Amino acid sequence: GIQVEQSPPDLILQEGANSTLRCNFSDSVNNLQWFHQNPWGQLINLFYIPSGTKQNGRLSATTVATERYSLLYISSSQTTDSGVYFCAGKGQTGANNLFFGTGTRLTVIP
Amino acid sequence: DAGITQSPRHKVTETGTPVTLRCHQTENHRYMYWYRQDPGHGLRLIHYSYGVKDTDKGEVSDGYSVSRSKTEDFLLTLESATSSQTSVYFCAISGQEPTEAFFGQGTRLTVV
Repeated sequence: GIQVEQSPPDLILQEGANSTLRCNFSDSVNNLQWFHQNPWGQLINLFYIPSGTKQNGRLSATTVATERYSLLYISSSQTTDSGVYFCAGKGQTGANNLFFGTGTRLTVIP
Repeated sequence: DAGITQSPRHKVTETGTPVTLRCHQTENHRYMYWYRQDPGHGLRLIHYSYGVKDTDKGEVSDGYSVSRSKTEDFLLTLESATSSQTSVYFCAISGQEPTEAFFGQGTRLTVV
């Protein structure tokens, strides 16, 4: 299967700071997604971004499919941004399922 | 929010007992998946379904079986629960195109 590497594994930010999370894939993927797992364990869809750049409020994401990586930008972080951020992608062959990274745990302190 | 309901949300069971988790969707999506989440591993696929009565194994399928008799329901069964199956289980759904996946709220299973 696809190996997914996320960095950094842990991140502590002061409220208001900006951050960049990275996701590298061992092989070409389709249907790349970013998720936020909140402190209650719920997985929230942030972006469906097979390629290009998308923005949603203070969050934006860029996927460079040819180089097998994706970036998630968080600007003006808030305490509610705390949680674990996962990226995931589907291989171009085989089963139609997502391969997940182990996540970046973000803690935003006031 | 995608219409996905997992039941039960929490369960404690004894080693050796059978357990069935249910995933119900109201989106009429073709694909349904069961993942488990464990510390240090992210989410890993157990089984998935690509249509009624069409299922296949994922990377951690040993000890699990699934069934899908209706488009809206996907059941995960632990035939004889073991402590290594203590985990949080997530159901997911996705359509044909785009194939963005949406997740249920999870089921926390503890095997004692």
